[in-house]
Amino acid sequence: QQPVQSPQAVILREGEDAVINCSSSKALYSVHWYRQKHGEAPVFLMILLKGGEQKGHEKISASFNEKKQQSSLYLTASQLSYSGTYFCGTEKDSGNTPLVFGKGTRLSVIA
Amino acid sequence: DTEVTQTPKHLVMGMTNKKSLKCEQHMGHRAMYWYKQKAKKPPELMFVYSYEKLSINESVPSRFSPECPNSSLLNLHLHALQPEDSALYLCASSQDRGFNQPQHFGDGTRLSIL
Repeated sequence: QQPVQSPQAVILREGEDAVINCSSSKALYSVHWYRQKHGEAPVFLMILLKGGEQKGHEKISASFNEKKQQSSLYLTASQLSYSGTYFCGTEKDSGNTPLVFGKGTRLSVIA
Repeated sequence: DTEVTQTPKHLVMGMTNKKSLKCEQHMGHRAMYWYKQKAKKPPELMFVYSYEKLSINESVPSRFSPECPNSSLLNLHLHALQPEDSALYLCASSQDRGFNQPQHFGDGTRLSIL
């Protein structure tokens, strides 16, 4: 079942923060986050496993709320290079079900 | 530059043609994937090849057939495609097939069916 992402699109000015949410009605084992720039391949950002952990690198971090079956991606002090479409991908169990991507959130950072 | 190499980058073919898309990775990964991505849509999984076993998305028509000559190559054979098959075809690989395995994507083959 496809996870639901929100918002569908967001426009930020450089330096502003954003949160992208990914939720599922089914129990999740893991949540993946990828960013895809226009005309390019998706690039892996991070994976969160059930257990409610939070991960991050530089100014992009994410959390996984197992109770709510929801993950949030936090982008702080956004840069022009953050522009792209962000996809979350969810797995229902430990590798036997395919990764299903949400519809994506289009992020545009302007100067 | 990505570590998953896909060829060709662009392909235009007629509905009666037979062609193949190639995907190669030299990272020693044991799982490889084919995805189809339409414009402004997320990637949709078509096939997974892992430990010499092929898993198929049952919604994928038989005019698409994967082939894995060795552990670093995963080809996609195309035959009698339809205009709605025009899309970006992405290949990906991961260290293993499991819940904590990031997928590394190639740059894709942009396919147009006339």
